[in-house]
Amino acid sequence: AQTVTQSQPEMSVQEAETVTLSCTYDTSESDYYLFWYKQPPSRQMILVIRQEAYKQQNATENRFSVNFQKAAKSFSLKISDSQLGDAAMYFCACHLYNNNDMRFGAGTRLTVKP
Amino acid sequence: GAGVSQSPSNKVTEKGKDVELRCDPISGHTALYWYRQSLGQGLEFLIYFQGNSAPDKSGLPSDRFSAERTGGSVSTLTIQRTQQEDSAVYLCASSLGTGVRNEQFFGPGTRLTVL
Repeated sequence: AQTVTQSQPEMSVQEAETVTLSCTYDTSESDYYLFWYKQPPSRQMILVIRQEAYKQQNATENRFSVNFQKAAKSFSLKISDSQLGDAAMYFCACHLYNNNDMRFGAGTRLTVKP
Repeated sequence: GAGVSQSPSNKVTEKGKDVELRCDPISGHTALYWYRQSLGQGLEFLIYFQGNSAPDKSGLPSDRFSAERTGGSVSTLTIQRTQQEDSAVYLCASSLGTGVRNEQFFGPGTRLTVL
């Protein structure tokens, strides 16, 4: 089964600046999706961005972009122009094509300072 | 409803009691997932349903855990003889179908505290 590691339990960024959250994963499969989810205090997980492993181009959603390095099994999330509403727990996840078991990292708590 | 709903929002119980957690998926979503989020941890996959069927129950932590889904809609996660280590947030998600291409939409979770 796949494993996901987030090595930064907490991160802090100044409002309007840029922050990068790290994620590495491990799987022997070649077909999978990678995800970043945001979990605010309301507990509801919200999909931020996703990347299909067979696509070389990095996914981008407005202020959110990823740096996907398949050979290194790295999938970092960059948040540009950070806003106070970005403060939350961020989870990286890996979902293999051939199963329904999505594995999550332990999360990174992001604080945005005004 | 507009989104996935879960009830109760919070549940406090005594060790040894049984609890039932409910999930109402988005209308029309055939796939339903249960996850457990322990304090300071990521989400741990428990079980998924395609329709009323749960093809793989190996993610359930012990035989005290069971889940069912009726009518292809509401699902109930039951924990028998609760233990303190069962304390966690239990999240439910639903999607149009199983498989990686279908986005999972999450509910707000049920926070279970076992005293």
